Amino acid sequence: QSVLTQPPSVSEAPRQRVTISCSGSSSNIGNNAVNWYQQLPGKAPKLLIYYDYLLPSGVSDRFSGSRSGTSASLAISGLQSEDEADYYCAAWDDSLNGVIFGGGTKLTVL
Amino acid sequence: EVQLLESGGGLVQPGGSLTLSCAASGFTFSSYAVSWVRQAPGKGLAWVSVISSSGGSTFYADSVKGRFTISRDNSKNTLYLQMNTLRADDTAVYFCAKYGSSSVKAFIDYWGQGTLVTVSS
Repeated sequence: QSVLTQPPSVSEAPRQRVTISCSGSSSNIGNNAVNWYQQLPGKAPKLLIYYDYLLPSGVSDRFSGSRSGTSASLAISGLQSEDEADYYCAAWDDSLNGVIFGGGTKLTVL
Repeated sequence: EVQLLESGGGLVQPGGSLTLSCAASGFTFSSYAVSWVRQAPGKGLAWVSVISSSGGSTFYADSVKGRFTISRDNSKNTLYLQMNTLRADDTAVYFCAKYGSSSVKAFIDYWGQGTLVTVSS
């Protein structure tokens, strides 16, 4: 059971915008930065957003992140079929003294 | 180019042991924290352990604490995971992962391709 809660799935049409939520608590998101990862089918995860909203070099600016209180969100605009993947949020948890991942959200581009 | 190459996975019986290795290249290994993350078949990502850049600090998920040991050899640019008393629920692909800084609370910025560990009789 994940300590960070994500919706299991989201879907949206091409060229539209979708958001994926990640809900935690004061010991993780409330006190530590959130990072987001994209995992394409059969591939290793890839860093998408770090320190809540920063984009690594090479990641499209169609991706954006935010954090407020004990929740965070990932937004993807201008959806493309290549965005179909699993998305995971992650944060350090001060109580567990370790990293926790959300359960993952499967994005389907209709 | 950052490369992380895991090895050592395979089939092991319940209660057995296995050691995973991760050969790192393309960056100054001794300057970064590194970690193991696993993914059971059809499931999500689960953090296993992290070790600081010097090796002086280690942290473990409760599910592996006391059974797994993370270590690193900065002279060989290699990360290890010694896994003992393996259980069926340890079956997963194990990813080696590099952090974006020396801090164990930082983000993972690179991942290996993973090595499959299957615990079964």
